[in-house]
Amino acid sequence: GAVVSQHPSRVICKSGTSVKIECRSLDFQATTMFWYRQFPKQSLMLMATSNEGSKATYEQGVEKDKFLINHASLTLSTLTVTSAHPEDSSFYICSARLGGSKTQYFGPGTRLLVL
Amino acid sequence: KQEVTQIPAALSVPEGENLVLNCSFTDSAIYNLQWFRQDPGKGLTSLLLIQSSQREQTSGRLNASLDKSSGRSTLYIAASQPGDSATYLCAVTLLNYGQNFVFGPGTRLSVLP
Repeated sequence: GAVVSQHPSRVICKSGTSVKIECRSLDFQATTMFWYRQFPKQSLMLMATSNEGSKATYEQGVEKDKFLINHASLTLSTLTVTSAHPEDSSFYICSARLGGSKTQYFGPGTRLLVL
Repeated sequence: KQEVTQIPAALSVPEGENLVLNCSFTDSAIYNLQWFRQDPGKGLTSLLLIQSSQREQTSGRLNASLDKSSGRSTLYIAASQPGDSATYLCAVTLLNYGQNFVFGPGTRLSVLP
């Protein structure tokens, strides 16, 4: 099956710094990638949808200037958490979808802890 | 706004038991419903996908049912094994939401040997 990787798997940073998370589709070209966030004991919540070569579409309540998403190629999307704060500590999961397909393939997630 | 809930939040059973996980959604205008498994530190694994026109799907020891009119789905696990221990997520795809998922909070299952 299709494989999606995320890097890093775990990151700890100081408050005020920026953190970049990578999401890669390893064996297929993902025209659309999705970024989710999951707080402890809560649902995965969609943050944004990104299509290769265009600006990301953010869900209501998600600050686009804080969570910068770049989908510059068909196999890579990045999420940058700018000026991270402790309340941004969460589990971030990406998924990727091949154009025309209804199937999303999920990455293993990145656990972010902001001190 | 679509909301998805799952009951129970956590469940602990001895090995060999049959069990049922419940999922409810508020808006019946769904495209499909999917059950996932989430292991700690790992991504989501799709278990079963039920299209809105279907009533159930089966895969091995797993059986998922869908009652769209009442906004409910159940995941039945037969003869549970310790390897089934994980968090089980229910997610619906909405007709008018670009086929994106709305997830439930999950049920944490522990199967004791």
